[in-house]
Amino acid sequence: GAVVSQHPSWVICKSGTSVKIECRSLDFQATTMFWYRQFPKQSLMLMATSNEGSKATYEQGVEKDKFLINHASLTLSTLTVTSAHPEDSSFYICSAREGSGSTEAFFGQGTRLTVV
Amino acid sequence: AQSVTQLDSQVPVFEEAPVELRCNYSSSVSVYLFWYVQYPNQGLQLLLKYLSGSTLVKGINGFEAEFNKSQTSFHLRKPSVHISDTAEYFCAVSEYSSASKIIFGSGTRLSIRP
Repeated sequence: GAVVSQHPSWVICKSGTSVKIECRSLDFQATTMFWYRQFPKQSLMLMATSNEGSKATYEQGVEKDKFLINHASLTLSTLTVTSAHPEDSSFYICSAREGSGSTEAFFGQGTRLTVV
Repeated sequence: AQSVTQLDSQVPVFEEAPVELRCNYSSSVSVYLFWYVQYPNQGLQLLLKYLSGSTLVKGINGFEAEFNKSQTSFHLRKPSVHISDTAEYFCAVSEYSSASKIIFGSGTRLSIRP
């Protein structure tokens, strides 16, 4: 099946700094990418949907200035957590869908962010 | 908008016993349905999906699910579980569109007792 690679798998940063997480589709072109956040022992909460070359669509309650999403190419999307605080600590997961007609999304392995 | 309800947050089962994880969905339009498995600190792996056609869907690792439109359910079953099946299981729904987002249920933790 298609592979989505997420990097880094874990990161620790100081409060107030920014962190960038990359999501790459390795063997297909991802027209649409999704970013999720998962708190311990909870479900995945959709943060935003991004289409290549256009601005991301954020879900209600997600701060777009806090979580910057860029989908500049068909194989790469990035999530930047700006001015991170301890409450931003979480597990972030991306997923990617191929072009029109695709019924399935493929998931990255996730990034564990810890803000200290 | 679509939504997914997983009624059981935890399901303890003895090894080699059968298991059913329940999932109900709500949507005003036709949807695709999925079951994913997540092992600790990992991403999600697709177990199976229902797109159309036969309502009984077979997936990996011996799992299967049955789509019931009248009851808006998509329950996951396995006739005999193994210790290695211990994980978190998520039911998910997506509307008919390649750009449509996938919405997840709250998850069910399956714990297998020896």
